Amino acid sequence: GAGVSQSPSNKVTEKGKDVELRCDPISGHTALYWYRQSLGQGLEFLIYFQGNSAPDKSGLPSDRFSAERTGGSVSTLTIQRTQQEDSAVYLCASSPSRLSNSPLHFGNGTRLTVT
Amino acid sequence: EDKVVQSPLSLVVHEGDTVTLNCSYEVTNFRSLLWYKQEKKAPTFLFMLTSSGIEKKSGRLSSILDKKELFSILNITATQTGDSAVYLCAAPFNDMRFGAGTRLTVKP
Repeated sequence: GAGVSQSPSNKVTEKGKDVELRCDPISGHTALYWYRQSLGQGLEFLIYFQGNSAPDKSGLPSDRFSAERTGGSVSTLTIQRTQQEDSAVYLCASSPSRLSNSPLHFGNGTRLTVT
Repeated sequence: EDKVVQSPLSLVVHEGDTVTLNCSYEVTNFRSLLWYKQEKKAPTFLFMLTSSGIEKKSGRLSSILDKKELFSILNITATQTGDSAVYLCAAPFNDMRFGAGTRLTVKP
């Protein structure tokens, strides 16, 4: 497809379970971002990948959160031992590069509900 | 500390009104400021501003940047119910940081 693809679109899980969220960026985009958006809130930066460089993990809220990007393309965000406060929409975005003339292209997000 | 601050957080107007949304920033090594519109799901790109004083325009929407005073405004004229959304501004730091957004509601 032409856009950023995220899966699943919705995920309901029980507290304490692990979840994996997937992001397929636009082909050729070297920069990939994960954000979290709680109900009625703005976008909270989580992690950023640029090419083969070490990711910027400065936004990850705890060590229960991790992310990988395999082969410079698909990314997986993993949340271990989920808590109710993890409930949010997780948005992925990509751009051709980290340069300032590259707007982000967003996926439709994964809505995570922890019961 | 680098940051992006938007105001107001929420705004309710009637169709036909004109609105001005504000975004102020403190960014080391400023490169650009971007505006996005978020309806139900993915934010969609509106404008990128890099130069002070040059207005970007798309239909009823326009935006301008003031690099001296470190802010940008987004204007929407003759608002319609379809303009109801959250409007986000963002600035690249080492990554891309967003403001909290302005939730605009346009009533018929």
